[in-house]
Amino acid sequence: GDSVTQMEGPVTLSEEAFLTINCTYTATGYPSLFWYVQYPGEGLQLLLKATKADDKGSNKGFEATYRKETTSFHLEKGSVQVSDSAVYFCGLVSGYSTLTFGKGTMLLVSP
Amino acid sequence: DGGITQSPKYLFRKEGQNVTLSCEQNLNHDAMYWYRQDPGQGLRLIYYSQIVNDFQKGDIAEGYSVSREKKESFPLTVTSAQKNPTAFYLCASSEETVIDQPQHFGDGTRLSIL
Repeated sequence: GDSVTQMEGPVTLSEEAFLTINCTYTATGYPSLFWYVQYPGEGLQLLLKATKADDKGSNKGFEATYRKETTSFHLEKGSVQVSDSAVYFCGLVSGYSTLTFGKGTMLLVSP
Repeated sequence: DGGITQSPKYLFRKEGQNVTLSCEQNLNHDAMYWYRQDPGQGLRLIYYSQIVNDFQKGDIAEGYSVSREKKESFPLTVTSAQKNPTAFYLCASSEETVIDQPQHFGDGTRLSIL
């Protein structure tokens, strides 16, 4: 079945540091890939998505590139802010299945 | 503004009691979902519905029930058969269950056992 593996957190960074959160997947066919963000006490918000190989999703300074050869969709940001502190979820949808999530990675950014 | 409303934000259940969590959306979405979130386990799908009067079990449906009588509403009942109901419950919707449609989430209901 489909699965998503994310790096375990928490990831702790200082403001303006470079961020990478790794995400790899296993899926049948050609999945669409997503990153969602969850701020404390809230639901998930779509951060970015990519629907085919080599697509780059981007939003709010975050980027992720759909790498079919390495089955990866790593999230990056060049300079994090304290307000980026949240839990980040990688997810995929394959065929007509429902969304499969990774376990989430907590990011803590200090001033 | 369109969105998903979950209520209540906090809910307490006594042993042996059924409770119902509300989820309403005004996005005109066909598909709706219920997830359970536990620390360190990410989100797990409980039930989903692609159309009114139809729904399917997700990965952890035991001890839960749903109904979909109206397009905008998808209530979740946590029954007394669910032995470990303490969790954060999230409702979501999407235009339809096709591969590139993102899901929109409510702000969740936190359920605790008294």
